[in-house]
Amino acid sequence: EPEVTQTPSHQVTQMGQEVILRCVPISNHLYFYWYRQILGQKVEFLVSFYNNEISEKSEIFDDQFSVERPDGSNFTLKIRSTKLEDSAMYFCASSDGSLNTEAFFGQGTRLTVV
Amino acid sequence: AQKVTQAQTEISVVEKEDVTLDCVYETRDTTYYLFWYKQPPSGELVFLIRRNSFDEQNEISGRYSWNFQKSTSSFNFTITASQVVDSAVYFCALSEDAFSGSARQLTFGSGTQLTVLP
Repeated sequence: EPEVTQTPSHQVTQMGQEVILRCVPISNHLYFYWYRQILGQKVEFLVSFYNNEISEKSEIFDDQFSVERPDGSNFTLKIRSTKLEDSAMYFCASSDGSLNTEAFFGQGTRLTVV
Repeated sequence: AQKVTQAQTEISVVEKEDVTLDCVYETRDTTYYLFWYKQPPSGELVFLIRRNSFDEQNEISGRYSWNFQKSTSSFNFTITASQVVDSAVYFCALSEDAFSGSARQLTFGSGTQLTVLP
């Protein structure tokens, strides 16, 4: 069964450093998403991406965040200057955009900022 | 704005008991989707069910069943004869504008931690 793949599974970074979280969505999917889950809290929407541009973003997705689809398969989330409060599980998801569909989630990347 | 409320933060049951997880939602849209996801201790999000706003039929899948009541804006999830492996955090989620042709963002509830004791 096709799946969304995220790398790395766990990343530790120093405050102020840039990190790039990588995702390989399901190959025929057109819509891509990033969600964040701070430990013990709910899953929160960050951004959606379609046709090589952001279609929606939340208040959390400020100027320190960016997304990119650098090639035909990868979808990345960059955090320019990490803060302690960026520590969270980051989930990538993708969907084909058809009416009766759900988003498929990757297994997540746990980001720890120290 | 849309909102999903899961009032039960934690539930603990003994194996083989039935347990119901509550979900109440708010939306101004007339078309929307409701979801349940399971998050086991390993952390991934496992899709369980999707229900659109026009389909109020209850659904049963093995030990799982869902009760969608539009009149009370609720989408409750029942596990029958619970097992230790059911221990996880369960999230209810809402996606508005289901018929726009695009898959919209999900709004999640805060989750219910279910612990099934042997």
